[in-house]
Amino acid sequence: GNSVTQMEGPVTLSEEAFLTINCTYTATGYPSLFWYVQYPGEGLQLLLKATKADDKGSNKGFEATYRKETTSFHLEKGSVQVSDSAVYFCALETGANNLFFGTGTRLTVIP
Amino acid sequence: NAGVTQTPKFRVLKTGQSMTLLCAQDMNHEYMYWYRQDPGMGLRLIHYSVGEGTTAKGEVPDGYNVSRLKKQNFLLGLESAAPSQTSVYFCASEDSGSYEQYFGPGTRLTVT
Repeated sequence: GNSVTQMEGPVTLSEEAFLTINCTYTATGYPSLFWYVQYPGEGLQLLLKATKADDKGSNKGFEATYRKETTSFHLEKGSVQVSDSAVYFCALETGANNLFFGTGTRLTVIP
Repeated sequence: NAGVTQTPKFRVLKTGQSMTLLCAQDMNHEYMYWYRQDPGMGLRLIHYSVGEGTTAKGEVPDGYNVSRLKKQNFLLGLESAAPSQTSVYFCASEDSGSYEQYFGPGTRLTVT
């Protein structure tokens, strides 16, 4: 079956620290992989995506590389800001109109 | 463009009552989705639609019904609410084949 496992939070970092949020997946076929971000009181927004192995998705200083050999799609950012405080969701889609989400990782960045 | 909007934003129901949540999108997207978000469980798909007049079951469809009479609207109904349906409900739309879903702001439903 299809599933996503992501690192449990919460994660608390100081401003300008390096961020990694781990995500691994199990899927049949060749999924597309996504990171969505949910700011307080809002719906989810697509942060970045990768549709095939070795693709790197990037946006707003965040990046993630689709690693088929390790079935991973870890999210990284070199220098986090207070405004990055949010909940981050890893997700996969196998083309069957169904996004499978991880449980979310709450990030808090303190000045 | 308003994007994806949801009505209402908050609602409190008593067990056994019924209600309908409305989702509207102005992006002319073919696909629309209803999810529920519960603590520690991420988002789970309730029902989805790949076009006007079509609907399909997702991962957790029991206790819910949906309708897609117009392309821009996707309604989620609870016929007889139960406390287990206390959750935050999100609607999303997708331009077919893009793999990018656009989410509404959510509806917080409490069933007592």
